[in-house]
Amino acid sequence: DVKVTQSSRYLVKRTGEKVFLECVQDMDHENMFWYRQDPGLGLRLIYFSYDVKMKEKGDIPEGYSVSREKKERFSLILESASTNQTSMYLCASSLSGGRSETQYFGPGTRLLVL
Amino acid sequence: GDSVTQMEGPVTLSEEAFLTINCTYTATGYPSLFWYVQYPGEGLQLLLKATKADDKGSNKGFEATYRKETTSFHLEKGSVQVSDSAVYFCALEQGAQKLVFGQGTRLTINP
Repeated sequence: DVKVTQSSRYLVKRTGEKVFLECVQDMDHENMFWYRQDPGLGLRLIYFSYDVKMKEKGDIPEGYSVSREKKERFSLILESASTNQTSMYLCASSLSGGRSETQYFGPGTRLLVL
Repeated sequence: GDSVTQMEGPVTLSEEAFLTINCTYTATGYPSLFWYVQYPGEGLQLLLKATKADDKGSNKGFEATYRKETTSFHLEKGSVQVSDSAVYFCALEQGAQKLVFGQGTRLTINP
């Protein structure tokens, strides 16, 4: 069965802290994605990766960075957390770069920045 | 740029009612279209998709038809169940693998 796991379901951090969100997939997928989900805005793409050590900016990369040192793991980093980064963060993966591939999502991390 | 607009929620229906959730899109070209569903406490999962005009995607009693003329991909189900209560997202594929999502529609089904 397809599995995408995220390191925490809930996280509370202080403004200015460095925050790491981890995502692991066990399906040998090439592509991995980070989204944030906000009420009334749907999901917005932060960063994605087509391969190990490769990354591409999504629609809202400001204030975030990512790391993909191994194929199965994709980390989202908030260099200096701010209150406007309070959100639900969703990780996803897909098999390859082909058209219309299904993305498989993790359960999400709800981050509160105080 | 490309965008997806869904009907405003929340939507509340009784069990066995007919469901329509409207979705329209703006895009250059003919992108693949998707419906994803998010059950309480879970991540999103693919419900159905269509890759070209006039294609009909279907799964679990849900259907949606890719209408190029009206740039729409409305989700329908003939008889909803309490277990269909979830948030539904319409999305289009912008280039290889980049998804653009609508704002989501929360559906509640009462017994």
